[in-house]
Amino acid sequence: GIQVEQSPPDLILQEGANSTLRCNFSDSVNNLQWFHQNPWGQLINLFYIPSGTKQNGRLSATTVATERYSLLYISSSQTTDSGVYFCAVVYSGGGADGLTFGKGTHLIIQP
Amino acid sequence: DAGVIQSPRHEVTEMGQEVTLRCKPISGHNSLFWYRQTMMRGLELLIYFNNNVPIDDSGMPEDRFSAKMPNASFSTLKIQPSEPRDSAVYFCASSLDWGTQYFGPGTRLLVL
Repeated sequence: GIQVEQSPPDLILQEGANSTLRCNFSDSVNNLQWFHQNPWGQLINLFYIPSGTKQNGRLSATTVATERYSLLYISSSQTTDSGVYFCAVVYSGGGADGLTFGKGTHLIIQP
Repeated sequence: DAGVIQSPRHEVTEMGQEVTLRCKPISGHNSLFWYRQTMMRGLELLIYFNNNVPIDDSGMPEDRFSAKMPNASFSTLKIQPSEPRDSAVYFCASSLDWGTQYFGPGTRLLVL
């Protein structure tokens, strides 16, 4: 099946810093989503971005489908940004349409 | 919209007991997904339905697991008999066709 690799696995930053999270995938996709899992375990949709660039406040994302990677940018980090960020994809050539998740990036924002 | 609703939010049971997890998708969505999250395996797809029909159940770990979707607004995931290794967080998600998947709050299951 399709492979999803996220980097870095862990990231510790001071409040106010910027960060870039990366997601590499091994094959073509027709769905790519970024999620934030907060400390209470909720999976919160950030972006649906199989290609192109989107922005939502301090967060933005870019997917270059031809090169099989996506980037999530967080600017001016706040302590509430702490948690695990997951990238998940749907392989465009397969029969299954469920999401395949990466292992996530664990982000800690220190005050 | 209330979002995807799951119940119960927490379940503690003893090995061998039957466990039923419930999910109400977002109104108007026609695809429903069940996922499981564990420390060892991360987030993985168990089964998904499209227009109430099971499309892919290859992720269901074994025959002890079964899922149904009797109508467009309700789905169940049943484990019978439950085992300690089934302890995990079970998420339900829904989407319109193959668009954005929206996740419920999850059911945290502990099998003793």
